[in-house]
Amino acid sequence: GQQVMQIPQYQHVQEGEDFTTYCNSSTTLSNIQWYKQRPGGHPVFLIQLVKSGEVKKQKRLTFQFGEAKKNSSLHITATQTTDVGTYFCAGGSSNTGKLIFGQGTTLQVKP
Amino acid sequence: NAGVTQTPKFRILKIGQSMTLQCTQDMNHNYMYWYRQDPGMGLKLIYYSVGAGITDKGEVPNGYNVSRSTTEDFPLRLELAAPSQTSVYFCASSYSGGNTDTQYFGPGTRLTVL
Repeated sequence: GQQVMQIPQYQHVQEGEDFTTYCNSSTTLSNIQWYKQRPGGHPVFLIQLVKSGEVKKQKRLTFQFGEAKKNSSLHITATQTTDVGTYFCAGGSSNTGKLIFGQGTTLQVKP
Repeated sequence: NAGVTQTPKFRILKIGQSMTLQCTQDMNHNYMYWYRQDPGMGLKLIYYSVGAGITDKGEVPNGYNVSRSTTEDFPLRLELAAPSQTSVYFCASSYSGGNTDTQYFGPGTRLTVL
């Protein structure tokens, strides 16, 4: 079935360093959503990208949707300890009309 | 609005026991979902419902049952608990269920089967 792969699975960074997680699909997606799950918490919606090549920013977070709508990235500039958590991408399937979640990238930030 | 609520927060079961995980949403959402999240893994869809009286299997339905008698409630039933069902269970809801619709998650139920 259709899968959305996310890399890396884990990332440890020093506070102040940048961080990027990548999301890849073998098929074209209709849209991509990003969620954040704090340790011990539940996934919370961050943002949605729909257009090819779309870039959106939320303060230090930059989200990008690839031109072919098969990949996406989340970049955090100058990480802070509050950025700790697991970031999930979820791709919208054009075939099934459903969201397919990636495995998530867990970010640890050392103060 | 309370959003999506789940009970219990934690539960320990013995092998072979049964239990029901409760999920309620007060946002008048049509779609509801059950996911499980194993350590270091992503979210796997167990069952979903497009409205009262209608349910369908997700990616990993074996060992679980669901019902949807009202718009608000979507309980998940484990009939014969097995250690492989040790996981964190999240209920979620969305208004339309389309792939562009945001899913709202409950706080989760942490289940251990010994």
